[in-house]
Amino acid sequence: DAGVIQSPRHEVTEMGQEVTLRCKLISGHNSLFWYRQTMMRGLELLIYFNNNVPIDDSGMPEDRFSAKMPNASFSTLKIQPSEPRDSAVYFCASSLRDTEAFFGQGTRLTVV
Amino acid sequence: AQKITQTQPGMFVQEKEAVTLDCTYDTSDQSYGLFWYKQPSSGEMIFLIYQGSYDEQNATEGRYSLNFQKARKSANLVISASQLGDSAMYFCAMREDPRRGGKLIFGQGTELSVKP
Repeated sequence: DAGVIQSPRHEVTEMGQEVTLRCKLISGHNSLFWYRQTMMRGLELLIYFNNNVPIDDSGMPEDRFSAKMPNASFSTLKIQPSEPRDSAVYFCASSLRDTEAFFGQGTRLTVV
Repeated sequence: AQKITQTQPGMFVQEKEAVTLDCTYDTSDQSYGLFWYKQPSSGEMIFLIYQGSYDEQNATEGRYSLNFQKARKSANLVISASQLGDSAMYFCAMREDPRRGGKLIFGQGTELSVKP
């Protein structure tokens, strides 16, 4: 298996634009986590899914952020409209029900 | 509510020496998992070691061992025989009972620098 795959690896966008981050889970995994990493706030859990169902989205900063799992192997995190303070590295990670999570390489987002 | 605390923002260790990275946690769950991850300067998150709350023996993986003290709610990572390549950020993480959703949260991290 190729591991968790995130795209794009880098994204530079202008304030106000819509940004979509993508994540392909490891085949067979049924838990999916989205994290945001910044120097100031560390690794924040934004939202996580079990079996395609969102379980806890209390970490999503505001309504500008949304996440979906249209199928068992794929997820998107969308920011609309984007703001400079959204600049961060966004990670997704997948796992089986109660095992270690495997991380993608991350998407470095810069909003100018 | 769950919480993970890493009180050492930065640590230094001499090459070939052992080092302990501290981690304490708070949870009301009886069943939970504890993890350590390594993040080198290249940015990827690498899983190192896992300890289940019901495991009676401390987990070991090569040069990594997890010093699990359940009553004190601590899960310290011990790296033996440090190598220059061990220089990185280290994160402690906890996964809640899967019957309650299995949320996985991380501490703030400890930056380890190994000196030659």
